[in-house]
Amino acid sequence: GQQVMQIPQYQHVQEGEDFTTYCNSSTTLSNIQWYKQRPGGHPVFLIQLVKSGEVKKQKRLTFQFGEAKKNSSLHITATQTTDVGTYFCAVTLMEYGNKLVFGAGTILRVKS
Amino acid sequence: DAGVTQSPTHLIKTRGQQVTLRCSPKSGHDTVSWYQQALGQGPQFIFQYYEEEERQRGNFPDRFSGHQFPNYSSELNVNALLLGDSALYLCASSLLGLQTYEQYFGPGTRLTVT
Repeated sequence: GQQVMQIPQYQHVQEGEDFTTYCNSSTTLSNIQWYKQRPGGHPVFLIQLVKSGEVKKQKRLTFQFGEAKKNSSLHITATQTTDVGTYFCAVTLMEYGNKLVFGAGTILRVKS
Repeated sequence: DAGVTQSPTHLIKTRGQQVTLRCSPKSGHDTVSWYQQALGQGPQFIFQYYEEEERQRGNFPDRFSGHQFPNYSSELNVNALLLGDSALYLCASSLLGLQTYEQYFGPGTRLTVT
């Protein structure tokens, strides 16, 4: 079965609107990472969250880790065309050793 | 500082053939992981190499094998290619000793099996 669910699958926003993608797991996570993959490119590491309830910001990006360490979100404020791409969460699950398990990703398209 | 490099960039093979993909990790990194990314999906973990040994493996058949060399570079071999093996193959390097498992990905090899 799928270890991590990521929603939505796809989102098309007007430039300047906000965007949020969510990552959910049925099991407690050791940590969670977020990656961005531009069209035709490769995944690029954005951030790692480790602590329960952790919130980290990178300019217009805000990352949150749930109190129960079973979910996480990535929020982009005032999207720009440069934000276009697929955003993946990736988790390490104890029952799978230290293997990194990626979500299916959320495709973000931005209309200018 | 050289990032992760992969070769070749693109490859076309016929069913039943064998293929070898190559990866050089980011300078200073000692661990190499391989991922398969089918179109529209997230990367799927194949295996990880550290100290020239396969450290972990995902749910891939034995047709997928690998190797790590003393200079930390790595190869991915796939035997008896199937149409379903067509995908982007990504190599990622990291430092095993770090608390973070941040992966540095290479540009990938696009494999097409016809």
